[in-house]
Amino acid sequence: GAGVSQSPSNKVTEKGKDVELRCDPISGHTALYWYRQSLGQGLEFLIYFQGNSAPDKSGLPSDRFSAERTGGSVSTLTIQRTQQEDSAVYLCASSFVAGELFFGEGSRLTVL
Amino acid sequence: GNSVTQMEGPVTLSEEAFLTINCTYTATGYPSLFWYVQYPGEGLQLLLKATKADDKGSNKGFEATYRKETTSFHLEKGSVQVSDSAVYFCALSDPRGAGSYQLTFGKGTKLSVIP
Repeated sequence: GAGVSQSPSNKVTEKGKDVELRCDPISGHTALYWYRQSLGQGLEFLIYFQGNSAPDKSGLPSDRFSAERTGGSVSTLTIQRTQQEDSAVYLCASSFVAGELFFGEGSRLTVL
Repeated sequence: GNSVTQMEGPVTLSEEAFLTINCTYTATGYPSLFWYVQYPGEGLQLLLKATKADDKGSNKGFEATYRKETTSFHLEKGSVQVSDSAVYFCALSDPRGAGSYQLTFGKGTKLSVIP
C-alpha cells in the first residue's frame, strides 16, 4: 500500500489476555518504530528496528511487551497478560530518511 | 537524557491570527529537530525539520528556526486557517549511528482555529 498500515484499528480485550498488533510498513523503508500514545502523555517510544541490526528495545515498559519484525518488513507487537494501564493507542511508523517518520493511524487498545 | 518541552494547550485562535507554539529541548549531542502534525482522525505526519543550528525549516506557511543558544525550536505561522486545527508535536532525534534515529517527542499542543 501507499502508507503504513496497522491492524486492528480497535481492540477491546479483557485484563489478562494476550494481544497482537500488526504493522505493515511502507515498502523499502528500512527503519520501523513502535510508539504508544496515551491521553495527556504524548508519544512514548517502545522499540525500533533498523535493517538487520539488533532492535533497540530500550522503551519497552515491561517484559510483557515484545515485538518482532519478520523478513525486514511486517512487524508484530505482542502484549501478554494485558493490564488496564496498557490501554492506549499504539502507533507504528516507518522511515527511510533518518528522522522522517511515516506513521500509521494506530491501533487503539482498550483493556477492560 | 534527551527531552522536549512544549507549551501546554489547548490553544484557540481566530482565523488569520498569528501562531507561536513554543518548544525547548535538552540533548547531549547535536540533534535534528522536527515538528509533526496530527490532523483529526489521521496519523502523525512530518511538518518541517531542521538539522543544524540556525537552520530554518518551513512548510505550508509554518516556520521554525533551530536556536542552539536558547535550545529552542518554536513553531510560527503568520496567519492561521481553520484547516490548521490539529495537534502539533515537537521532536528531536537521538543519533545513535548512521541512519538510526529514535525520535523523542513532546506531549503535543492542540490548536483550534475558529472562523
